Amino acid sequence: EDQVTQSPEALRLQEGESSSLNCSYTVSGLRGLFWYRQDPGKGPEFLFTLYSAGEEKEKERLKATLTKKESFLHITAPKPEDSATYLCAVQARDTGNQFYFGTGTSLTVIP
Amino acid sequence: GAVVSQHPSRVICKSGTSVKIECRSLDFQATTMFWYRQFPKQSLMLMATSNEGSKATYEQGVEKDKFLINHASLTLSTLTVTSAHPEDSSFYICSAHRDRTPLSNQPQHFGDGTRLSIL
Repeated sequence: EDQVTQSPEALRLQEGESSSLNCSYTVSGLRGLFWYRQDPGKGPEFLFTLYSAGEEKEKERLKATLTKKESFLHITAPKPEDSATYLCAVQARDTGNQFYFGTGTSLTVIP
Repeated sequence: GAVVSQHPSRVICKSGTSVKIECRSLDFQATTMFWYRQFPKQSLMLMATSNEGSKATYEQGVEKDKFLINHASLTLSTLTVTSAHPEDSSFYICSAHRDRTPLSNQPQHFGDGTRLSIL
């Protein structure tokens, strides 16, 4: 069964304190892994797509990496405006266009 | 800027009312749109895949007579929650792929969701 697990469930960081969020997945053939940011009361906002192990994508203070079993979202020197829930989703080869979402990591960056 | 628009953003209504939620792709045509439901502090649960010009594909456990989906044009899908009850209260979100290939591995772009509260 395809599964996506994110950890930690919640993370509190001081401003400037770098850390990483984890997304572990088990799918029968990965077509793509997607990272989203979701603010309270809003829909998810697309951040990155990763397609193959070893791939990395970077945007401002965020960097996403991918292995055969997991993905990391690294946050360097976070700011309070980075506070949000970060969602990971995977797309498998045998399930059409369906996305499987993890339960997310709620990040709070304290000034 | 936003590529998927969802309306209304919030609905509060009495039990037994039917509620329609619209999802529009703003600058592209979407043959497929998706409808999700999200409970507090939980992940997105796919309810159904909306296919332009044909019937929607519902996930297991989702009542098709309760959640009516219509995808009459390439830019608009609607979700109607029929005879809504308090247990239907939730956050409903739609999404769409920008490209129209049958098996896209492009990201889904999401609307801002609709908070439905049934009294």
